[in-house]
Amino acid sequence: GQSLEQPSEVTAVEGAIVQINCTYQTSGFYGLSWYQQHDGGAPTFLSYNALDGLEETGRFSSFLSRSDSYGYLLLQELQMKDSASYFCAVRRNTGKLIFGQGTTLQVKP
Amino acid sequence: DVKVTQSSRYLVKRTGEKVFLECVQDMDHENMFWYRQDPGLGLRLIYFSYDVKMKEKGDIPEGYSVSREKKERFSLILESASTNQTSMYLCASSSGQGPHEQYFGPGTRLTVT
Repeated sequence: GQSLEQPSEVTAVEGAIVQINCTYQTSGFYGLSWYQQHDGGAPTFLSYNALDGLEETGRFSSFLSRSDSYGYLLLQELQMKDSASYFCAVRRNTGKLIFGQGTTLQVKP
Repeated sequence: DVKVTQSSRYLVKRTGEKVFLECVQDMDHENMFWYRQDPGLGLRLIYFSYDVKMKEKGDIPEGYSVSREKKERFSLILESASTNQTSMYLCASSSGQGPHEQYFGPGTRLTVT
């Protein structure tokens, strides 16, 4: 079968760093994507890792370890506008994305 | 900027009705997808299409069908709507080289009564 596990909720304060973990179990793994979705909005693409290591895009970084079937999204210098749901998604060799259930991040002042 | 539009933001239908949800993208993307999003379940793939007139089942295709007659348009059809199809429906598109980077429409919140 296939599954993705990520925490359901994370809380952090403004200016802090937060890490959202994602573990996966799937056949035909090709890469790991991350998406952000604000309440009432559409998911938007954040980052993608096909190879092991860290990818940095501004305040956001994403990490992948294929041998551990594990990845994480790192958000630095948290801002109130970062309060949203974050989804990891496995890209399979068929081109399909399998999404996790999402992590709700609440940023407090 | 990629733009994906969906025909309705909110829709209320009765049980047994035939429902059409339309999605249009303006970036000449090869791939198009239909998902439903329910609380606690994430996004689940209903159907996807890699090319005009091509369609493949996703993880939850039962009770749905799709149509892709033109590259920019992908329609989701509920042949006979049921209350368990009340959900948020999201359409997405991506280039052939980048299925990991999908662009989503604003969603249609469908209520079946």
